[in-house]
Amino acid sequence: DIQMTQSPSSLSASVGDRVTITCQASQAIGNYLSWYQQKPGKAPKLLIYDASDSASNLEIGVPSRFSGSGSGTDFTFTISSLQPEDVATYYCQQYDNLPLTFGGGTKVEIK
Amino acid sequence: QVQLVESGGGLVKPGGSLRLSCAASGFSFSDYYMSWIRQAPGKGLEWISYISSSSVDTKYADSVKGRFTISRNNAKYSLSLQMNSLRAEDTAVYYCARGGAETLPTDFWGQGTVVTVSS
Repeated sequence: DIQMTQSPSSLSASVGDRVTITCQASQAIGNYLSWYQQKPGKAPKLLIYDASDSASNLEIGVPSRFSGSGSGTDFTFTISSLQPEDVATYYCQQYDNLPLTFGGGTKVEIK
Repeated sequence: QVQLVESGGGLVKPGGSLRLSCAASGFSFSDYYMSWIRQAPGKGLEWISYISSSSVDTKYADSVKGRFTISRNNAKYSLSLQMNSLRAEDTAVYYCARGGAETLPTDFWGQGTVVTVSS
């Protein structure tokens, strides 16, 4: 199985701060990586697929302050200017090989 | 708009069975792979199964293989998960999701249904 190591597991930042989350795959997965936002008591919501935030890969309606990059084994998710409504847990997921696997999540809070 | 509505969750004893259903609307159901993903209380996400658009291909996580069966009815826009020989570790919120296979992102999730396995 492909292990997805996500870090940090939690972070606290101020409104307007730049926030970065990383996800490392235990083997190369090309660009088959997505990022999800999960608010408490809610279902995960897809933000980015195929690893990057190019115009075709940022899910419709997702604010442009969310971005993604990377390929192979190392991936990054960035919130360029943290907003109060971004408080959530963020997960990465690889969909290159079965079983599809998720990172452990990053809980983002406002300082 | 796209909607996925799960039902069928509840409390069941270890060794028991439960059948989850997912009603889809707002998209051409027969064009999409569909998946089930679960989340144990306070834990992360675990993919458990997918089914191809025409039901030809089904895959399972090792943790549920041989106990769970995924199926779909394209005419009724419905997805199901038959869960047998349930264990305490199957306790989780079960999400129905669109997509989710090799090279296919999971692009929409239902709100989930809670399954509790306890004596």
